[in-house]
Amino acid sequence: DTAVSQTPKYLVTQMGNDKSIKCEQNLGHDTMYWYKQDSKKFLKIMFSYNNKELIINETVPNRFSPKSPDKAHLNLHINSLELGDSAVYFCASSQDGTTGREQFFGPGTRLTVL
Amino acid sequence: RKEVEQDPGPFNVPEGATVAFNCTYSNSASQSFFWYRQDCRKEPKLLMSVYSSGNEDGRFTAQLNRASQYISLLIRDSKLSDSATYLCVVSLTHPQAGTALIFGKGTTLSVSS
Repeated sequence: DTAVSQTPKYLVTQMGNDKSIKCEQNLGHDTMYWYKQDSKKFLKIMFSYNNKELIINETVPNRFSPKSPDKAHLNLHINSLELGDSAVYFCASSQDGTTGREQFFGPGTRLTVL
Repeated sequence: RKEVEQDPGPFNVPEGATVAFNCTYSNSASQSFFWYRQDCRKEPKLLMSVYSSGNEDGRFTAQLNRASQYISLLIRDSKLSDSATYLCVVSLTHPQAGTALIFGKGTTLSVSS
């Protein structure tokens, strides 16, 4: 069984559209994350959720909003998509939010904004 | 200065070679240290944690020098399957008690026969 899964795997859309990416983990972890990997392969934290509370919200535009219906899911909703949003978005989870914990990543969602 | 800096790649080595990657980090408050591996168009996966005493996992040896804020990874007897991007990662605790992983840009290794 896949530990961290994301849908869709590929997403191609027009500028200005609103889209969502779904993430689910079946590891029973308390903390989930969203990362963005840009065209230069630089992987950067966007959000962290622990027990449905937002812990870290790095300086990402407020067009990006994480939504967590329960601790196994952390979806990413993006409003008014822009060309610069094109990237690979990875969801991850860890047992808890403490330092030292391994983070398990989903397979990524490759978003292309035209 | 970037938070985590790594050797620029790519490293192209023959099978059986020994290769070393270096990494420095800027935040002395960094608490935990890792090497992750990312294959082409795949997700990052933990290769190994890095401890001050140094640690070894088969052909892989990781070292941490907190005073110099320096991390290294040594791969002995390289295999074709070692070809990947190696990401140096540090962990910082956010003031609101969350933890973020800060990734380096990665060093690409290509092992050829």
